[in-house]
Amino acid sequence: AIQLTQSPSSLSASVGDRVTITCRASQGISSALAWYQQKPGKAPKLLIYDASSLESGVPSRFSGSGSGTDFTLTISSLQPEDFATYYCQQFNSYSITFGQGTRLEIK
Amino acid sequence: EVQLVESGGGLVQPGRSLRLSCAASGFTFDDYAMHWVRQAPGKGLEWVSGISWNSGSIGYADSVKGRFTISRDNAKNSLYLQMNSLRAEDMALYYCAKDMSPNWNYVFDYWGQGTLVTVSS
Repeated sequence: AIQLTQSPSSLSASVGDRVTITCRASQGISSALAWYQQKPGKAPKLLIYDASSLESGVPSRFSGSGSGTDFTLTISSLQPEDFATYYCQQFNSYSITFGQGTRLEIK
Repeated sequence: EVQLVESGGGLVQPGRSLRLSCAASGFTFDDYAMHWVRQAPGKGLEWVSGISWNSGSIGYADSVKGRFTISRDNAKNSLYLQMNSLRAEDMALYYCAKDMSPNWNYVFDYWGQGTLVTVSS
């Protein structure tokens, strides 16, 4: 199965900061990657699909990039509601996998 | 409004069975693949199983293959997960999730709130 490794595992940042989270795949997956946001006690929410396509209704401060094995999620200017855990997910192989998550905390 | 409502979770002894259900509304159910994704307490997300729009294609995580069976009833707008030979490591919050495509190998654009499965003697 394709493994996804996110870095960092946790991150402290301030409102207004630009933040980048990285997801690395154990083998090439083209652009078959999505990003989700999960807040405590809530279901995950789709942010980005196909590596860089913004899901409808998601603020434009969120963006995704990358292809092959290296991907990034960028939040251009952190807002208070963005503090959450973020997961990447690959759908290239017929066994879907998630990264281990990146917890974004308030500094 | 898309709604996914899971049910059927609860406390079960190791080795026993449980059947989860997911009632879907607010979209044309038989146009989309569906999935089960679980999250152990304090842990990350783990995809469990997916089923295509017509049940013609199904996939399972290695951790549940041979023990869990996914199914759907398009006439009832419902998704199911039959879980047999449950283990302590199956204890988790189980989410029902809608795929963006008819085939099960894509992304999840809507999620339910989950149903908790506790495996303990």
